[in-house]
Amino acid sequence: GQQVMQIPQYQHVQEGEDFTTYCNSSTTLSNIQWYKQRPGGHPVFLIQLVKSGEVKKQKRLTFQFGEAKKNSSLHITATQTTDVGTYFCALPPGSARQLTFGSGTQLTVLP
Amino acid sequence: DAGVIQSPRHEVTEMGQEVTLRCKPISGHNSLFWYRQTMMRGLELLIYFNNNVPIDDSGMPEDRFSAKMPNASFSTLKIQPSEPRDSAVYFCASTQGDTQYFGPGTRLTVL
Repeated sequence: GQQVMQIPQYQHVQEGEDFTTYCNSSTTLSNIQWYKQRPGGHPVFLIQLVKSGEVKKQKRLTFQFGEAKKNSSLHITATQTTDVGTYFCALPPGSARQLTFGSGTQLTVLP
Repeated sequence: DAGVIQSPRHEVTEMGQEVTLRCKPISGHNSLFWYRQTMMRGLELLIYFNNNVPIDDSGMPEDRFSAKMPNASFSTLKIQPSEPRDSAVYFCASTQGDTQYFGPGTRLTVL
């Protein structure tokens, strides 16, 4: 099956600093999704990227899909304490409904 | 819409006891997934159903685990007998298109 590597595993930042997490696949992807899970909560869908080189923004969050559609990144500008949580990328293998979740990046924002 | 509903939210049981976790997917969603999340292993897919039919149960750890979906609005995950290593948060998710909507999870503790 598809392999996905997500880095870093943990990231501590000072409030106001930027944060980036990366997701790398061993194969070309049809699309990629990003989810956020707050501490004690459940994963919540953030966005789906489909096109090569696609860039999407949600307020301070910027999502990118690589030109080769094998990698993706999530960048947060000027982190806030509300950004705390674990960010997962998820790959949909083929036409199946099954998602393959990355290991996640746990973000801690220090006030 | 109430979202995906899971019950119970917390379950504490003793080793050897039977545990049944319940899930009500979002109305109209035709795929349902059961996940297990632990610190050590992250988010693991256990089984998923499409139109109430089990499609892939390769993630089910062993014969002690079983899942059913008798109709489009209800699914159960049963562990019999339970063991301490089954302690985890169990999530149910249903899909609309490629997007997964997770329930709040059931935190299971097996003593």
